[in-house]
Amino acid sequence: QSALTQPRSVSGSPGQSVTISCTGTSSDVGGYNYVSWYQQHPGKAPKLMIYDVSKRPSGVPDRFSGSKSGNTASLTISGLQAEDEADYYCCSYAGSYTPYVFGTGTKVTVL
Amino acid sequence: EVQLVESGGGLVQPGGSLRLSCAASGFTFSSYWMSWVRQAPGKGLEWVANIKQDGSEKYYVDSVKGRFTISRDNAKNSLYLQMNSLRAEDTAVYYCAREMATSIDYWGQGTLVTVSS
Repeated sequence: QSALTQPRSVSGSPGQSVTISCTGTSSDVGGYNYVSWYQQHPGKAPKLMIYDVSKRPSGVPDRFSGSKSGNTASLTISGLQAEDEADYYCCSYAGSYTPYVFGTGTKVTVL
Repeated sequence: EVQLVESGGGLVQPGGSLRLSCAASGFTFSSYWMSWVRQAPGKGLEWVANIKQDGSEKYYVDSVKGRFTISRDNAKNSLYLQMNSLRAEDTAVYYCAREMATSIDYWGQGTLVTVSS
């Protein structure tokens, strides 16, 4: 399984929206509605932001939303805030033998 | 509150062994699949291995098959990763993680493993 493809970086001003893409194949992203997104601040553990493509865990602001079309999933952050500056990783379920394939990661910069 | 606390990382020479431990609390450990995920310095996340609730099923990423062994002790609420024949490319922060059906919902803070002579 190869890593899912994400843009290396995206940026936006406070209050704006940014969208991060995550491209895989029919064996992972396209084959299951089980894409999750993680936020990671420097030196910290990842935090689950979105699961099952578009569901938000309790406590995650509704500024974060997820979607999927074909082999590409997307994370949108609306109303960008300074604390949203972090690395973001997508992850797709890919079957029992290699259950989790992660994306290459995207650095979000708040200008 | 779910807590996962890893230990056992450190500096080891190529070809050496190390055993990582993860102490779980705040949830019914025996009810969840558990995983190890690693992150090489400055790199992305890589799933390493996982284990079923009763330990009857275990899966590994190809690069560690035959070298790493995942195990658990439900009586001690603990997860383990035995790492043998370590290589420089195994250098990473290793995270213990809880699975929620088809995603990972909680992560520990990680323990650093450095393989170097």
